Amino acid sequence: SQTIHQWPATLVQPVGSPLSLECTVEGTSNPNLYWYRQAAGRGLQLLFYSVGIGQISSEVPQNLSASRPQDRQFILSSKKLLLSDSGFYLCAWSLAGGIGTQYFGPGTRLLVL
Amino acid sequence: DQQVKQNSPSLSVQEGRISILNCDYTNSMFDYFLWYKKYPAEGPTFLISISSIKDKNEDGRFTVFLNKSAKHLSLHIVPSQPGDSAVYFCAASVGDSSYKLIFGSGTRLLVRP
Repeated sequence: SQTIHQWPATLVQPVGSPLSLECTVEGTSNPNLYWYRQAAGRGLQLLFYSVGIGQISSEVPQNLSASRPQDRQFILSSKKLLLSDSGFYLCAWSLAGGIGTQYFGPGTRLLVL
Repeated sequence: DQQVKQNSPSLSVQEGRISILNCDYTNSMFDYFLWYKKYPAEGPTFLISISSIKDKNEDGRFTVFLNKSAKHLSLHIVPSQPGDSAVYFCAASVGDSSYKLIFGSGTRLLVRP
């Protein structure tokens, strides 16, 4: 069966510091991978998605970037965090081929102070 | 522009009764719809989905209804249980290569014992 891992679970960072959140998927090959953010009391906003190694599509202009160095690894980064980057970050995967159910990881709660 | 709307931020239901969660969409190109359940500080869990070629899909206590002419879908939970208390998100996608799910803002369901 497939599993998805995210770490860390919680992170408190000062404004202006860098960020690296990691997501890995097990039990499947060539998945589509996604990064979402959920701000307090809001829905899920898609930040990035990837259909293969090195292929990243950005949905909204922002202070963040994503990379996919390996087939089942997805990394969310920032060089300098802003207060507005605080939120709950979720990684998800789906089977290759487009339309389909996405399965979410446990999430990382980021607080920028 | 919110393409997927959940107009009720919260719903309270007595245990054993039916819970009905509603979702409206504006994009007539959406052809795949999903419901997710989310507990605090956890990732969303996939519940049930429906393709636009159907108007009903059932899985145990959960049934999703789709009314394409009204651009409306609903999730019925019968009978409701206290463990169903969570935030429910509906999501929609277009069956092309966009790979994107568009989420509503969520409805918080409370099932009272």
